[in-house]
Amino acid sequence: QVMLQESGPGLVKPSETLSLTCTVSGDSVSREDYYWGWIRQPPGEGLQWIGSIYYSGSTYYNPSHKSRIALSLDMSKNTFSLKLTSVTAADTAVYYCARHLRFVPPGDWGRGILVTVSS
Amino acid sequence: QSVLTQPPSVSGAPGQRVTISCTGSRSNIGANYDVNWYQQVPGTAPKLLLYGRNNRPSGVPDRFSGSKSGSSASLAIAGLQADDEADYYCQSYDTSLSGYMVFGGGTKLTVL
Repeated sequence: QVMLQESGPGLVKPSETLSLTCTVSGDSVSREDYYWGWIRQPPGEGLQWIGSIYYSGSTYYNPSHKSRIALSLDMSKNTFSLKLTSVTAADTAVYYCARHLRFVPPGDWGRGILVTVSS
Repeated sequence: QSVLTQPPSVSGAPGQRVTISCTGSRSNIGANYDVNWYQQVPGTAPKLLLYGRNNRPSGVPDRFSGSKSGSSASLAIAGLQADDEADYYCQSYDTSLSGYMVFGGGTKLTVL
């Protein structure tokens, strides 16, 4: 059974870069056909897809964040990572990592990590 | 603002049947993309409830069912139980995102 675990700082200052890592166990991030994605949920609000990275390394970003986001895979550590630059208070959210296939919704999610943007 | 529109809240008594609507547009649900449904208990990650054409992951009871028509979809919960109280989210795909994920704003279900 695959498990995903988010890690990173819980507090980031405005204008700085938010960096999160998702550690995968029970599967490989290089497994063919799978996508590894990030979804966030601002406090009291709904879910928002941020972006996904394909096992081959191809990336797909929500246009709302495209200029600020970078996803990467680290096959040696079996992790994938999110970097979101120039953060503001609007980026305060619980960030989830998840595994999915194309047009198949994520069934495997991490527990989520709350990231607060504040000085 | 979410791409898919859901009512903020619905409620029902134990044993009743409730439905939650999800309204999209021609670029998502109306483009014949599947509508999937998640259940989220506050403080936990969303749990996949229904996907594709009424497929249920292992462990999800058949009290939960989905339907779709045009640019809208619905989740029906029959025989309401106390532990059904949660937030429910619809999810589909959108041509403006090159076919990637969009979500509804969520509906809080209260079991009276």
